[in-house]
Amino acid sequence: DTGVSQDPRHKITKRGQNVTFRCDPISEHNRLYWYRQTLGQGPEFLTYFQNEAQLEKSRLLSDRFSAERPKGSFSTLEIQRTEQGDSAMYLCASSFVGGNTEAFFGQGTRLTVV
Amino acid sequence: AQKVTQAQTEISVVEKEDVTLDCVYETRDTTYYLFWYKQPPSGELVFLIRRNSFDEQNEISGRYSWNFQKSTSSFNFTITASQVVDSAVYFCALSEVDSNYQLIWGAGTKLIIKP
Repeated sequence: DTGVSQDPRHKITKRGQNVTFRCDPISEHNRLYWYRQTLGQGPEFLTYFQNEAQLEKSRLLSDRFSAERPKGSFSTLEIQRTEQGDSAMYLCASSFVGGNTEAFFGQGTRLTVV
Repeated sequence: AQKVTQAQTEISVVEKEDVTLDCVYETRDTTYYLFWYKQPPSGELVFLIRRNSFDEQNEISGRYSWNFQKSTSSFNFTITASQVVDSAVYFCALSEVDSNYQLIWGAGTKLIIKP
């Protein structure tokens, strides 16, 4: 396994368009997280899955954002009607359930909304 | 209230100097975990270390060492004989049972190592 992979690495889109990102976690990991990071800030939690169940979603997350993990493997994050404020790095991480194992991160998808 | 505080926004040192990055955390859990991650300019967050709340032994890994002190709620990170490749943003994070083990992040410290 080569680790967590995210696709695409970069995305430029016009305001108002929909975008979808994909994350493939480490295969034996049952927990998958999505974070957003803007310049000079730490990662901001968006949502996480345990297997295929979405267990928590940040209150800050607009209803334009939706995430799925249909078979408990890869996950997608969709942003509808993108806004310039959505421009950020979107990070995916995976881990085993519980706090005693670290989360491994993908290289992120950098979204630019113009 | 901020649960993980990295008071140093940016640190700049000359290569070969030692440097310590501070991390102070706040939790009511007796069982928790502390982490350090490195984020080089390429952007990927790289895991460095995890400590659990029951293990206060300091850890050394090559030029890296970590000092965990529950009495002061601190988990500081020292790089000895720094190198230019150590330049990155370093994040401290906390995971608690009460937060269902989600990572709570500090704001990060940008470390610049000058040649």
